[in-house]
This record gives sequence, C-alpha cells and structure tokens, in this order.
Amino acid sequence: GDSVTQMEGPVTLSEEAFLTINCTYTATGYPSLFWYVQYPGEGLQLLLKATKADDKGSNKGFEATYRKETTSFHLEKGSVQVSDSAVYFCALRTRSGNTPLVFGKGTRLSVIA
Amino acid sequence: EPEVTQTPSHQVTQMGQEVILRCVPISNHLYFYWYRQILGQKVEFLVSFYNNEISEKSEIFDDQFSVERPDGSNFTLKIRSTKLEDSAMYFCASSRQGEGSTEAFFGQGTRLTVV
Repeated sequence: GDSVTQMEGPVTLSEEAFLTINCTYTATGYPSLFWYVQYPGEGLQLLLKATKADDKGSNKGFEATYRKETTSFHLEKGSVQVSDSAVYFCALRTRSGNTPLVFGKGTRLSVIA
Repeated sequence: EPEVTQTPSHQVTQMGQEVILRCVPISNHLYFYWYRQILGQKVEFLVSFYNNEISEKSEIFDDQFSVERPDGSNFTLKIRSTKLEDSAMYFCASSRQGEGSTEAFFGQGTRLTVV
C-alpha cells in the first residue's frame, strides 16, 4: 500500500543552520505531496504542498521539490530559527478530491539559539 | 481565522469505558476526518465523513468506533469499551469539497489515555 518514510528524529540545529528533512514515498499513480508542521500545543498545519512532478512547494522559507524519479519530497530551509522548532510530517494523498492523507512518523526539530 | 477545535485536550479513561471525542470543524467545510497517532508512530487515518455518512474508513475503524454529526456544528468520535491500545492522540480534520489537492485543516488534537 501507499506509505511515507521520513528520517528519524530528533534533529537539533543551531540557529541559522541549514535544514534538510528527508522524505520518500511509495504510492500507486501520481500522488500529491505535503509537509505538515505541528508547533508545540497546536494542531497540524499545512506548510507546503506539490501536486505533480518537479513542482516546488514553498512557504515561510521552507521548500520541497516533488522528485518522481527518486520518489522523494525532502524539506529544506536555508537558515532555521528558534521559532521553527516543531514536529514536521511528510504526507501524501493519492487520487484527487478529499481522499485520506497518508503520513510519515514525523520528525522533531529543535533549534537552539 | 477559522479553525478546527477539539475538546477535551486530554482525556483519561478506565479500560472498558466509553469515550466521546468532540470536534467542531470549520463551518463551510463538508468533509470531516478522524486520524490518530499512537506515541512514536505514524499519524493514521481512521475515517472520513461526508453528507451525513461514512465515505471511507480504515481497518482500524472497527465496530468499537463510531462517528456522528449530531447537529450542524459538532463531529464526534465515540470509542466503546476502550482498550489500553486505544491510547493515542486523536486529530480531527475538515476540508472543503472540491477537486484536486484540497487542503485539510486539523485541530490541535485530543490526547486519550486509557488506564
């Protein structure tokens, strides 16, 4: 079945460091890909998305490119801030419309000043 | 900004008891979902609900579980006769009906602890 694999956390970085969180997927067809973020005490929020191969999603300085050839959707940010400390979830959705999301386990990021 | 709200934020219950987790989806959304995350594991889909009926459910969503939209605003998940392994964070989500990759908006979750 469909699945998402994320790098294990926790990830601890110093402020202004470069961030990469790896995400690979297995899916039938052509899924849409998402990154969700969960800040402490809050719900899951959509961070960015990409709906087809070679699309780049971006938001708040974060980027991820839909790579069909490597079935990957790695999350990157050039310079992290303490406020980026959160849990990041990679997810996919196959088919269009309102089908359920398939999530990865989540990666906890801690950014220290 | 409209948001999905869930209550309570934390629920502790004895094994075998029934619990009801409550959610208020965003008012103009038509699709509703429950997901759960057992500690240290993936966020898993439980059930989706549209037009007052279940539209899709996972293998996890067995006869122990039920969902209901008792009025125009609430969306509830009932777990009958809770088991220790039901301990998890339960997330409610809602989305607008539409084509393409419609964004799902999530609540902050209810942490259920079965003792």
